Amino acid sequence: DAGVIQSPRHEVTEMGQEVTLRCKPISGHNSLFWYRQTMMRGLELLIYFNNNVPIDDSGMPEDRFSAKMPNASFSTLKIQPSEPRDSAVYFCASSLGQTTYEQYFGPGTRLTVT
Amino acid sequence: ILNVEQSPQSLHVQEGDSTNFTCSFPSSNFYALHWYRWETAKSPEALFVMTLNGDEKKKGRISATLNTKEGYSYLYIKGSQPEDSATYLCAFAGTASKLTFGTGTRLQVTL
Repeated sequence: DAGVIQSPRHEVTEMGQEVTLRCKPISGHNSLFWYRQTMMRGLELLIYFNNNVPIDDSGMPEDRFSAKMPNASFSTLKIQPSEPRDSAVYFCASSLGQTTYEQYFGPGTRLTVT
Repeated sequence: ILNVEQSPQSLHVQEGDSTNFTCSFPSSNFYALHWYRWETAKSPEALFVMTLNGDEKKKGRISATLNTKEGYSYLYIKGSQPEDSATYLCAFAGTASKLTFGTGTRLQVTL
């Protein structure tokens, strides 16, 4: 298996623009997680899907952030409008189940908002 | 806000030294404790997932123990090698859905 795939790997955009990050989980994994990594806050969970259904979105910072999982092999994280403080590395991870299973992380998307 | 603390923040050892670090987490509502290895410019890689008090896991020269009653886990590396240089993250799960990560212990192993 290719592992968790994320695109793009790097994104530079201007404040106010819409940004869409994409993730393909490992085939057969039914849980998908979006994380954000910053120097100030470390690695924090944004949203968790189980069987394509959002289960916990308490980490989504505000209404500018939204995430979807239309099928078992694809998820998006959208920021609209983007702001400079959204600059971070965004990781997608997948696992066979809930928190008793190890998570497999994608390579991350480095987002810079100018 | 859950408090997951790791110590030390960073560690510098010589090749061949054995070392250990600590992860402290809330002792109530325990679900699981994860350890990840994170090399610079890569993504976190799972080492262990532990769910039972007293669990001990081992992978090569790396091992981990778990005490859920007092809220701590230790990660041990025996005979450190330069390729062990990385940040070691622990993550606590108090529910089935959410991992809370510590800030990591950064290990540097020199020749």
